[in-house]
Amino acid sequence: EPEVTQTPSHQVTQMGQEVILRCVPISNHLYFYWYRQILGQKVEFLVSFYNNEISEKSEIFDDQFSVERPDGSNFTLKIRSTKLEDSAMYFCASSWTSNEKLFFGSGTQLSVL
Amino acid sequence: GDSVTQMEGPVTLSEEAFLTINCTYTATGYPSLFWYVQYPGEGLQLLLKATKADDKGSNKGFEATYRKETTSFHLEKGSVQVSDSAVYFCALSDDETSGSRLTFGEGTQLTVNP
Repeated sequence: EPEVTQTPSHQVTQMGQEVILRCVPISNHLYFYWYRQILGQKVEFLVSFYNNEISEKSEIFDDQFSVERPDGSNFTLKIRSTKLEDSAMYFCASSWTSNEKLFFGSGTQLSVL
Repeated sequence: GDSVTQMEGPVTLSEEAFLTINCTYTATGYPSLFWYVQYPGEGLQLLLKATKADDKGSNKGFEATYRKETTSFHLEKGSVQVSDSAVYFCALSDDETSGSRLTFGEGTQLTVNP
């Protein structure tokens, strides 16, 4: 079965540094998403992306966050200046349409020190 | 706003035991309901879903029935296996706002011992 690939699986960064989390969605999917899960808390929606623009974002997704699909295969999440509270597992997901099931990657564990 | 509440975990069972993981929800519209499973080292996978009241979703021996009157979507399996050990997430999608923006519950860690 096709799968969503996320790299790296673990990333450690210093507070204030920029970090880019990378995802390769399933190749014919058109909708892309980022979710995150802070340790011990719920999985939370961050942003959805379609047709090269953000279609929806949550209140968590502030100006420190941005997403990009730079080359037609990768889908990235950038955090411009990381904070301690950005430490979480970040999940990428993709789907063929907005009403089809989401396929999730295995996540990137981000630790901000 | 929308919310999902799952029973507190972790849950530990012996093989062949009966499993129930409770899930209740609050939504403004007519949500679709989902159970996702995360096996160790893997991403979340859709286990089953139900899109309207009284629908029953089923897969791999797991079942859940969409109960609008009790706003619940409890996950059940009659006889669990060691391979069912995973984290289970209840989720909803409120079709009035977005067909794919999911609101998740806390997740329930299930461990099945041989």
